[in-house]
Amino acid sequence: SQQGEEDPQALSIQEGENATMNCSYKTSINNLQWYRQNSGRGLVHLILIRSNEREKHSGRLRVTLDTSKKSSSLLITASRAADTASYFCATDAFNTDKLIFGTGTRLQVFP
Amino acid sequence: DGGITQSPKYLFRKEGQNVTLSCEQNLNHDAMYWYRQDPGQGLRLIYYSQIVNDFQKGDIAEGYSVSREKKESFPLTVTSAQKNPTAFYLCASSISRGEKLFFGSGTQLSVL
Repeated sequence: SQQGEEDPQALSIQEGENATMNCSYKTSINNLQWYRQNSGRGLVHLILIRSNEREKHSGRLRVTLDTSKKSSSLLITASRAADTASYFCATDAFNTDKLIFGTGTRLQVFP
Repeated sequence: DGGITQSPKYLFRKEGQNVTLSCEQNLNHDAMYWYRQDPGQGLRLIYYSQIVNDFQKGDIAEGYSVSREKKESFPLTVTSAQKNPTAFYLCASSISRGEKLFFGSGTQLSVL
């Protein structure tokens, strides 16, 4: 079962622009995580935001969490061609012991 | 170098054959997971283990089996009962449930 749904499914931007991806989920969570996947590779963890946090930063990444709307967003500022990848949100829901991944956003950054 | 290692990178399965995918970690993590990824899709959980000698079915366990005899190792067997095994298989580990996952580089399984 898919807990998280990312929006948009695909995003194309020019280098230097900002990229925003959104994630919506269905049930209450302990935390929400964002991962990045280059084509044909494993996923790499980017940020974990807990249910009592509203915003978190890591370098050029900014994640927000709105538990009342059951949604999160990932903002990549001043994007680079090397940011081209798929980005997934994953939720650690209450009363489960596993992370559930969304379907991902494919980001293409053109030089 | 600490990390999680999957092998082989590519694997081919013949009709009616069982194949085993290897996953080893030296991060001293208690929890380990197997996910399946189909082209352009998200990850679906096959099996997970939170402690040695214990594991639970995920959302798509039918046609798969696992063992967790050692903390470092969590092999996945794709049995002949799995009728559509072609996919990218990802192994992951975490220090405990709900915490960030460390992923291996994946195994691409194809059917001959």
